[in-house]
Amino acid sequence: NAGVTQTPKFQVLKTGQSMTLQCAQDMNHEYMSWYRQDPGMGLRLIHYSVGAGITDQGEVPNGYNVSRSTTEDFPLRLLSAAPSQTSVYFCASSVSGIYNEQFFGPGTRLTVL
Amino acid sequence: GQQVMQIPQYQHVQEGEDFTTYCNSSTTLSNIQWYKQRPGGHPVFLIQLVKSGEVKKQKRLTFQFGEAKKNSSLHITATQTTDVGTYFCAAPSGSARQLTFGSGTQLTVLP
Repeated sequence: NAGVTQTPKFQVLKTGQSMTLQCAQDMNHEYMSWYRQDPGMGLRLIHYSVGAGITDQGEVPNGYNVSRSTTEDFPLRLLSAAPSQTSVYFCASSVSGIYNEQFFGPGTRLTVL
Repeated sequence: GQQVMQIPQYQHVQEGEDFTTYCNSSTTLSNIQWYKQRPGGHPVFLIQLVKSGEVKKQKRLTFQFGEAKKNSSLHITATQTTDVGTYFCAAPSGSARQLTFGSGTQLTVLP
């Protein structure tokens, strides 16, 4: 099993550009989530999904969209990038929810100029 | 929403010294998880505590969940350079479908 994979590893955007961060898992996990990590602020939840076709907002959803058309994939879309979105983004998955071990992907380091 | 306060933010220790990080909540937690993130890496699950007063050990690591289920600690005995990284606690938020992470304790071990 590859576990949780994320692409790209690094990305530089200009303000106003849009892009999609990809996340996939091959463990048949129902629960998937996106976090952003900024220095001194831990991990903050952006969006999460409890299963295919179901998504919901986390703590910091503004400026981001998600969809979950399959169990395996959970892409994160930045609609119009802003410098405040410069961060490291982690995707995570678990068997059924937050009461299970979360498996994290390797992360995407995003810089918005 | 639910917040877990984690202290200290940074800790430098000499190799062989002990290390402890604490997580505190103003409300009762149903459970708490601990993760480790090596520099440049991603968070990796260490353990989950569920019961009041629970103590679990993993080699040199000891995890405790308070009697009131409002605080938790991670203690490392005789630190090694391999223990370097940031340690996070995480607990369910009010919605019970979101996991809230503490701000982390960054551990540096000096050889």
